[in-house]
Amino acid sequence: NAGVTQTPKFRILKIGQSMTLQCTQDMNHNYMYWYRQDPGMGLKLIYYSVGAGITDKGEVPNGYNVSRSTTEDFPLRLELAAPSQTSVYFCASSYLRSRYSNQPQHFGDGTRLSIL
Amino acid sequence: AQKITQTQPGMFVQEKEAVTLDCTYDTSDQSYGLFWYKQPSSGEMIFLIYQGSYDEQNATEGRYSLNFQKARKSANLVISASQLGDSAMYFCAMSGVDYKLSFGAGTTVTVRA
Repeated sequence: NAGVTQTPKFRILKIGQSMTLQCTQDMNHNYMYWYRQDPGMGLKLIYYSVGAGITDKGEVPNGYNVSRSTTEDFPLRLELAAPSQTSVYFCASSYLRSRYSNQPQHFGDGTRLSIL
Repeated sequence: AQKITQTQPGMFVQEKEAVTLDCTYDTSDQSYGLFWYKQPSSGEMIFLIYQGSYDEQNATEGRYSLNFQKARKSANLVISASQLGDSAMYFCAMSGVDYKLSFGAGTTVTVRA
């Protein structure tokens, strides 16, 4: 059972570099999400997608971009890395809307990203 | 906008005792869902329990139960018979009409032998 798979697990970037965090799920979930978690804090929503070709901003979208060309994949791109983007990034997926059912969001193991 | 408040940054509990983690929320949505997640030191997010706003009975999942008081807008998590493996950060979260999850700041639980 792969579930939600995130790569890489760790990465160090220099200021101004760009990179893509990969996320794929094999549960045929239509909803996918990207969160960031700063030290000692809860998760904040960056972007989300309700299906292939449909994405929307969350609470903290600045500095990030996403795309959803397939049901399985939801990559997150950082264009110009800044120290403020040092965080742990989580991808999650769910079936239908969380509030309508007891289907929770399933999380990947996270990507620990440091910008130096 | 939704807001989740967890007022207990850290708690200690003796092994085999019960512990209650507080969670209050603020929303204007009539229909919403409440979730609790566990994050051990290894970092993954583990779903524990769910309560729908229209559910009349409190949710239970094994040693986890949710004390849902809708009028007070609280959704406290009760862990019974604590085990050493319960030591972790616990997050309360809710989703409303926009189906986005909003998380609280979390409570760290340390179980003592």
